[in-house]
Amino acid sequence: GAVVSQHPSWVICKSGTSVKIECRSLDFQATTMFWYRQFPKQSLMLMATSNEGSKATYEQGVEKDKFLINHASLTLSTLTVTSAHPEDSSFYICSALGPDGDEQYFGPGTRLTVT
Amino acid sequence: GENVEQHPSTLSVQEGDSAVIKCTYSDSASNYFPWYKQELGKRPQLIIDIRSNVGEKKDQRIAVTLNKTAKHFSLHITETQPEDSAVYFCAASRGQGFSFIFGKGTRLLVKP
Repeated sequence: GAVVSQHPSWVICKSGTSVKIECRSLDFQATTMFWYRQFPKQSLMLMATSNEGSKATYEQGVEKDKFLINHASLTLSTLTVTSAHPEDSSFYICSALGPDGDEQYFGPGTRLTVT
Repeated sequence: GENVEQHPSTLSVQEGDSAVIKCTYSDSASNYFPWYKQELGKRPQLIIDIRSNVGEKKDQRIAVTLNKTAKHFSLHITETQPEDSAVYFCAASRGQGFSFIFGKGTRLLVKP
């Protein structure tokens, strides 16, 4: 149980375009999901907390107009990287707060490369 | 702001030896401390966690200890095996909320 999927697993896009990443909880409802960014050989940096039916809460330094988050249902949150630039290239991982309310279950991640 | 320090950044042990990774946190209100294992290119997997009302927790070869006074918690892996090789992250809840602050990770290498 408590499986989280992400789509796509990898994506290459051109500078200036937008990319949408989906995060789904497959076998449980997740009122809260999280979006992280991970650079090679570095830690997970929390970008934002996504709550179903309300606006996301962004961490300090994360541009909300650039990283659009939508949590429209109890099983789906999306992250849209708008006007992507090469410096946005990274590994984006989502997680969902599990049924017990403490544990976070991570998706497999999406590797974004902006050329 | 909240911070989690993790040491060492790399750790190399011989198969069968023990490995210890240490973390300190700054937010005295943190009440949940998970440990994640991440293999290259894969998602982080929860391996053990501890809540602030418990001092120690053990699951087979893995144990975690928590010292709330010192704001310090540690991961102990005994009888290490090559498949334990991975990056390990500690994390602390932000206050009593649901979001985490992660440590920078420890790259563990178990030599056969």
